[in-house]
Amino acid sequence: NAGVMQNPRHLVRRRGQEARLRCSPMKGHSHVYWYRQLPEEGLKFMVYLQKENIIDESGMPKERFSAEFPKEGPSILRIQQVVRGDSAAYFCASSPLRTSIGTGYEQYFGPGTRLTVT
Amino acid sequence: QQPVQSPQAVILREGEDAVINCSSSKALYSVHWYRQKHGEAPVFLMILLKGGEQKGHEKISASFNEKKQQSSLYLTASQLSYSGTYFCGTEKVEETSGSRLTFGEGTQLTVNP
Repeated sequence: NAGVMQNPRHLVRRRGQEARLRCSPMKGHSHVYWYRQLPEEGLKFMVYLQKENIIDESGMPKERFSAEFPKEGPSILRIQQVVRGDSAAYFCASSPLRTSIGTGYEQYFGPGTRLTVT
Repeated sequence: QQPVQSPQAVILREGEDAVINCSSSKALYSVHWYRQKHGEAPVFLMILLKGGEQKGHEKISASFNEKKQQSSLYLTASQLSYSGTYFCGTEKVEETSGSRLTFGEGTQLTVNP
């Protein structure tokens, strides 16, 4: 029973290159969330997606960042023209569809991708 | 708006108890608690819903005071494995399909032998 999978676990990019981070949710989960964590800081929400649909991208920087969750395949967080300030751990979480009001859901986190921009 | 956690850090001896608080200025639907060890992913501990009961498992339990918009995490008879950073994540809006979590800055817990 595989959990949330992310790859690569570590990614090194030079300034100006593109970074692609992948996330496969837990089996049966239809929601994917991306969070960013700077060293010694908390988790900051970036974007929330369902298959082929972005539900909430209010935490995503307006430029250079994009996310998708296609019908087939993993969710991808894409960072174009990376800068040193993009260096962080990027975590993906998944949760099942909440089927009724008054119930909770749990977000399970993947191991993260640690992006280093040199 | 980010919830406020207190204390920022706590040091315990094995077997001692601790309480970590999470407060929000906004009306909450749910509070989620996670523990993260250095260099690892956050691990889900429990979720508390508005109108729900106090939750717990083993020696870790939590409560949610809706009037105060505050949740507390209780760790009793702490073990070395409890060391890590504890985050609360809050959900403000009740949606039928799920929603984002806003996390506090974390409480660093160290349990010494």
